[in-house]
Amino acid sequence: NAGVMQNPRHLVRRRGQEARLRCSPMKGHSHVYWYRQLPEEGLKFMVYLQKENIIDESGMPKERFSAEFPKEGPSILRIQQVVRGDSAAYFCASSPYGLSNSNQPQHFGDGTRLSIL
Amino acid sequence: GNSVTQMEGPVTLSEEAFLTINCTYTATGYPSLFWYVQYPGEGLQLLLKATKADDKGSNKGFEATYRKETTSFHLEKGSVQVSDSAVYFCALIQSGGSYIPTFGRGTSLIVHP
Repeated sequence: NAGVMQNPRHLVRRRGQEARLRCSPMKGHSHVYWYRQLPEEGLKFMVYLQKENIIDESGMPKERFSAEFPKEGPSILRIQQVVRGDSAAYFCASSPYGLSNSNQPQHFGDGTRLSIL
Repeated sequence: GNSVTQMEGPVTLSEEAFLTINCTYTATGYPSLFWYVQYPGEGLQLLLKATKADDKGSNKGFEATYRKETTSFHLEKGSVQVSDSAVYFCALIQSGGSYIPTFGRGTSLIVHP
């Protein structure tokens, strides 16, 4: 039973390029969450998606960042025109149901480490 | 808004020592509380949880008790091992709210043989 799969594990981009991060949730999970972890900091929520819908994007920067979770295929976090400050670890988590139950934990992937040169 | 405060690390211990990692929180109502562990190069894994006051979560020798009166959820282990070296995150989920978890900054634990 594969867990949450993220790729690539490491991504290097130059300033101004685009970064695409992929997340395949656990089998049977239709809810995906993206988090950003800056060095020496905790996880900051970015966006919560269901298949073909963005449910909550309150943690997502208004510019350059976008996310999707199509009917088929992985969820994609896209960062356009990357800057040095985008360097971080980006984690994806999934759950079988939405967070309507505060008892329910999420299952995390191993993350994508994004480095901006 | 909600917040979680953890003691700063790193916490450095010898094998078989007693571990305490402090966690306090600010939230309205009655959140659920969690401890996650992150091993080097990996994502977060749920370690234990407690959903109401005085509940004790436990797993793999780790324990934490939900203390509403002190708004705390301190993580303890009686005898740590080298393999426990990791970063530990305290988190809460606010019931009746958005249900998006709020995480602390994490506490690094280093256990020496």
